[in-house]
Amino acid sequence: GESVGLHLPTLSVQEGDNSIINCAYSNSASDYFIWYKQESGKGPQFIIDIRSNMDKRQGQRVTVLLNKTVKHLSLQIAATQPGDSAVYFCAEKSTGNNRKLIWGLGTSLAVNP
Amino acid sequence: NAGVTQTPKFQVLKTGQSMTLQCAQDMNHEYMSWYRQDPGMGLRLIHYSVGAGITDQGEVPNGYNVSRSTTEDFPLRLLSAAPSQTSVYFCASSSTSGRVNEQFFGPGTRLTVL
Repeated sequence: GESVGLHLPTLSVQEGDNSIINCAYSNSASDYFIWYKQESGKGPQFIIDIRSNMDKRQGQRVTVLLNKTVKHLSLQIAATQPGDSAVYFCAEKSTGNNRKLIWGLGTSLAVNP
Repeated sequence: NAGVTQTPKFQVLKTGQSMTLQCAQDMNHEYMSWYRQDPGMGLRLIHYSVGAGITDQGEVPNGYNVSRSTTEDFPLRLLSAAPSQTSVYFCASSSTSGRVNEQFFGPGTRLTVL
């Protein structure tokens, strides 16, 4: 999930292990949920999105799961690599065409070689 | 393609000064936006634009102005800088077709207001 305050939740994993990053969202009316990755000193980078009428979507080495019953979203990264070390943000997009995103606070992923 | 470019990368201002953060994209994206990112917080939307000549406010618009005279450029103006505006500012753009949820971000501008 996400925490409030100055310190990001941190997930530390060994290289080669699978990582699971969790996010709790608030708006039941959101029509898309999106994951972004932000490496140190860079802007966020899109990873994958999932529409609200789906419960699972797979990409390259990543899987996003959506549980609307408990308003929970997760990002699974298979065979985590050192290059996956970053802060991961979930974001939700409300219905409509204004493209506004509501961002979570982020989770820091540290991959140990 | 250069993608989304932002200038300057770093800036220090004194309280009360004004300045413009530049943002440009070469992907012909209709949607552009400005965010600020503060430690331990997610990104907060300042202003956005759905096309040339159209802008609207986001969550935290006070103290900032924008304009969109061309598709490519979306400058952010700080009218009278305050220490509370110390932050990292990101510009982003996205298309209205295809992967519409994929916003492309610039490298950011680190602003310090003394």
